[in-house]
Amino acid sequence: RKEVEQDPGPFNVPEGATVAFNCTYSNSASQSFFWYRQDCRKEPKLLMSVYSSGNEDGRFTAQLNRASQYISLLIRDSKLSDSATYLCVVNGPNDYKLSFGAGTTVTVRA
Amino acid sequence: DAMVIQNPRYQVTQFGKPVTLSCSQTLNHNVMYWYQQKSSQAPKLLFHYYDKDFNNEADTPDNFQSRRPNTSFCFLDIRSPGLGDAAMYLCATSRVTSGLLEQFFGPGTRLTVL
Repeated sequence: RKEVEQDPGPFNVPEGATVAFNCTYSNSASQSFFWYRQDCRKEPKLLMSVYSSGNEDGRFTAQLNRASQYISLLIRDSKLSDSATYLCVVNGPNDYKLSFGAGTTVTVRA
Repeated sequence: DAMVIQNPRYQVTQFGKPVTLSCSQTLNHNVMYWYQQKSSQAPKLLFHYYDKDFNNEADTPDNFQSRRPNTSFCFLDIRSPGLGDAAMYLCATSRVTSGLLEQFFGPGTRLTVL
């Protein structure tokens, strides 16, 4: 079983729509959770950290469900510039090693 | 200002010809990582340095080696590249603290093996 699993998508949505997707993780001892964004042929960049109580950053909302071992990302009022691959990331057996999902691709169309 | 720098950005090598990729950082982070990422796949950790301590992933081929001569620099050596080693190689850094841990990535080196 992979440490982090994501629906690869793609999620094709019109501008202004809301899109949400989850990822599941296998290590119940994980303490750190992130969403990274990766544009085509570019490096991953931190989008937001995910806190236990859930958190919001502008149009982006992240939630953590420890009991079911999944995190979610919701994007409201989608923009064309939100088109990217979103990587779900959790820390592995060592605090400073991260496990990456393969990413969920989102395409926002005009 | 760039914080994690990788050179070259694009590298073309021949099958079996050794290649070295470099990474430098201005963040003074104590942990440096090398990842391999192939198309539509998750970044795969090859190894990392925690300060001077080298940590190899169990499934990293012997063909891959790394050096960290000082805090700022880290190198990835591929001794005999095969066609399957063509990928994006990402360097990342982090500063180990309690609580949340973020990794900062360089722009990557895209390796082509002919």
